[in-house]
Amino acid sequence: GAVVSQHPSWVICKSGTSVKIECRSLDFQATTMFWYRQFPKQSLMLMATSNEGSKATYEQGVEKDKFLINHASLTLSTLTVTSAHPEDSSFYICSARNPDRVAEAFFGQGTRLTVV
Amino acid sequence: GQNIDQPTEMTATEGAIVQINCTYQTSGFNGLFWYQQHAGEAPTFLSYNVLDGLEEKGRFSSFLSRSKGYSYLLLKELQMKDSASYLCAALDSNYQLIWGAGTKLIIKP
Repeated sequence: GAVVSQHPSWVICKSGTSVKIECRSLDFQATTMFWYRQFPKQSLMLMATSNEGSKATYEQGVEKDKFLINHASLTLSTLTVTSAHPEDSSFYICSARNPDRVAEAFFGQGTRLTVV
Repeated sequence: GQNIDQPTEMTATEGAIVQINCTYQTSGFNGLFWYQQHAGEAPTFLSYNVLDGLEEKGRFSSFLSRSKGYSYLLLKELQMKDSASYLCAALDSNYQLIWGAGTKLIIKP
């Protein structure tokens, strides 16, 4: 099977600080990773698509300078929430695509971010 | 535009059967997924249909009709642990997942 590991599972930070979330594909090389945000009782909202070795593609309305995405290797993508504010508090989930099973999305465990 | 429709909430009784419907409109189509998501957790994969027909996997079955842009997830012998949100997602021609808002399933004893 394919496993995607996301870390940390939860984090509390002060307003104005930055938080980094890691997403790793453990048993396959992920050429593409996706970052989602989910507010309570709402569906997944795609924030950006991260391709190894190139710049991320951000969805409309997502600030690329605030949500920094780095996909420096085939097994690791990171999302950094810069200058976090309380309204950034949400559930962030990464998803990775296995090139051998391109039609299936594998999800990390998610990160619950609370900005106080 | 691309769109996924599914009911917001459904209620069923433990031991019964429930069917969750999903209709989709996408630019191209490369398959239909169903995911289960418990509160505070990431989605977990349930099924993937790319051809018309019924796929059965234990207590869960998923059906697809490409001509109608329609799918359903059938849950049999409902258990309390099945209480969760069920997300329908379609894969478009660019292999991007288009997500529905999810159906919250409430199981009553």
